[in-house]
Amino acid sequence: GAGVSQSPRYKVAKRGQDVALRCDPISGHVSLFWYQQALGQGPEFLTYFQNEAQLDKSGLPSDRFFAERPEGSVSTLKIQRTQQEDSAVYLCASSSTPAASTDTQYFGPGTRLTVL
Amino acid sequence: GDSVTQMEGPVTLSEEAFLTINCTYTATGYPSLFWYVQYPGEGLQLLLKATKADDKGSNKGFEATYRKETTSFHLEKGSVQVSDSAVYFCALVYGGATNKLIFGTGTLLAVQP
Repeated sequence: GAGVSQSPRYKVAKRGQDVALRCDPISGHVSLFWYQQALGQGPEFLTYFQNEAQLDKSGLPSDRFFAERPEGSVSTLKIQRTQQEDSAVYLCASSSTPAASTDTQYFGPGTRLTVL
Repeated sequence: GDSVTQMEGPVTLSEEAFLTINCTYTATGYPSLFWYVQYPGEGLQLLLKATKADDKGSNKGFEATYRKETTSFHLEKGSVQVSDSAVYFCALVYGGATNKLIFGTGTLLAVQP
């Protein structure tokens, strides 16, 4: 079946612009995660949804970052007033059950954001 | 806080060589442990996992054993191929409210023919 998809795959923004990154998880997956991966680093957790509820947003680096999943499926990560330090690959992952440590998270291909 | 430490790369091997990528972790309690792989131009894929002490995860000829005594989860393969060239990430996760993955910095493996 279809995996996790993300769009756009690449985004170039001028500093100060707002951007919106989309994630389509695997159909029926309850849990959805966003991670940020800087160049040469491992992914770092941003936020977690269980269905439409955002249960953890402790990794969001500033109040310019906002995520939503209004109907419990597609999610959008929005970054307002982008800064150069926001340049990174943004990864979305989904898993089938709520918060089980044994679950596999399935990752999308990522959106590479470059802020000029 | 919880963390994962991997050996730094790049690791360069000849085809059919033995591979070890070291991974140690710091955590309270007993997390689940994972190895993810990122092939060039592709997204992260689960390679293998182990969910309790002494478990051995295996896939595609790769193995890793969850060692609670040494807080380690080293990745091994007996004979690497050029197609194994990728970045390998060790990660841990707790359950509870979030189940977020905590990753190491990744190890680039380059296998030469």
